[in-house]
Amino acid sequence: KQEVTQIPAALSVPEGENLVLNCSFTDSAIYNLQWFRQDPGKGLTSLLLIQSSQREQTSGRLNASLDKSSGRSTLYIAASQPGDSATYLCAVRPENYGQNFVFGPGTRLSVLP
Amino acid sequence: EAGVVQSPRYKIIEKKQPVAFWCNPISGHNTLYWYLQNLGQGPELLIRYENEEAVDDSQLPKDRFSAERLKGVDSTLKIQPAELGDSAVYLCASSIGTSGGTDTQYFGPGTRLTVL
Repeated sequence: KQEVTQIPAALSVPEGENLVLNCSFTDSAIYNLQWFRQDPGKGLTSLLLIQSSQREQTSGRLNASLDKSSGRSTLYIAASQPGDSATYLCAVRPENYGQNFVFGPGTRLSVLP
Repeated sequence: EAGVVQSPRYKIIEKKQPVAFWCNPISGHNTLYWYLQNLGQGPELLIRYENEEAVDDSQLPKDRFSAERLKGVDSTLKIQPAELGDSAVYLCASSIGTSGGTDTQYFGPGTRLTVL
């Protein structure tokens, strides 16, 4: 059974810092991995989708990498801003479980002005 | 383009009462998902539809939960009777539904259920 973990559970940084969020998954047989952002009381917003054949994806100040063989992904946020404060979740779509995503518990990020 | 719409946004009921949640996916999206999210955790899939067919309902507690997707568009998730442990956020998501699992999911704002 695929399991997804995220470290750290919570992170607080001053504005302007670069930071890295970590995601680990137990089964490397995946179609893709997706990073989401969730603001309090809101649904999830897709940030980046990495296919299993890709190593990384970039969007603005965000860069996500994928090391499928080691079961790891990182989300790099450059020059963090208070508006980046949210919970960040990663989710993997296993090859053996249809099209269903398996989500991690998320990392709660606070960027202090 | 409108996103995924869910209603109600909040619902407070007493235990043993019935409750229903409604979801309208993005137009043209064939796949619809219902998730349950407990506080501090990631969403867990309850049921996935491909058009009007429920293709994965293995995580749906069928003794009290039911779902339907009429004409492959809107969907309703029902709980009857509700229990205290059902208090959570119920999220609906949709995706275009391409083969190979390469498409992304778009989420609605969720319905926060409180069972007293």
